[in-house]
Amino acid sequence: NTVMTQSPTSMFISVGDRVTMNCKASQNVGTNVDWYQQKTGQSPKLLIYGASNRYTGVPDRFTGSGSGTDFTLTISNMQAEDLAVYYCLQYNYNHTFGAGTKLELK
Amino acid sequence: QIQLVQSGPELKKPGESLKISCKASGYTFTDYAMQWVKQAPGKGLQYMGWINTQTGKPTYADDFKERFVFSLETSASTAYLQINNLKNEDTATYFCARDYSGDVYWYFDFWGPGTMVTVSS
Repeated sequence: NTVMTQSPTSMFISVGDRVTMNCKASQNVGTNVDWYQQKTGQSPKLLIYGASNRYTGVPDRFTGSGSGTDFTLTISNMQAEDLAVYYCLQYNYNHTFGAGTKLELK
Repeated sequence: QIQLVQSGPELKKPGESLKISCKASGYTFTDYAMQWVKQAPGKGLQYMGWINTQTGKPTYADDFKERFVFSLETSASTAYLQINNLKNEDTATYFCARDYSGDVYWYFDFWGPGTMVTVSS
């Protein structure tokens, strides 16, 4: 099974910050990684597919990058509505979610 | 517009069974597979597997190969998740999600609101 390790587990951030979170795969998954955002009490929403492609309607402050085993989701100019848990998902070998990175206000 | 509507919360006892529904609208049901995802209280997302809506063939992740059954009622554009012999650790919210799998990309583009299942004696 491919393990997806997300870091950090949580981050305390301020509005306007540049936020970077990581996802590391236990084996090479190419660019077969998606990123999802889940706000409290809601279902997840697709942000990024294929490691770096922004889904329809996702603000351009969200950027995904990486390939192989190391992936990054960056939020430039963090907004209050971006407070959520972010999950990576690999689909190169079946599907596996990472454990999530929670963004909280300082 | 595309919607996935899931059945309501369930309270069950250990050993019982339940069947959750996920009714799709706004698109041709058999054009997209359906995925299932579990989220235990306060925990992250756990991938359960998917069902091919054209053939009805289910594929289960390793942790869900026993007691879990995916099925369809294609005429009603509805996917089902059945859990047999319920255990306390099945307490969770279960999400269905529409599967987009193209030649290059694979993602879950529309999600249901989730069905909360509580298993308690």
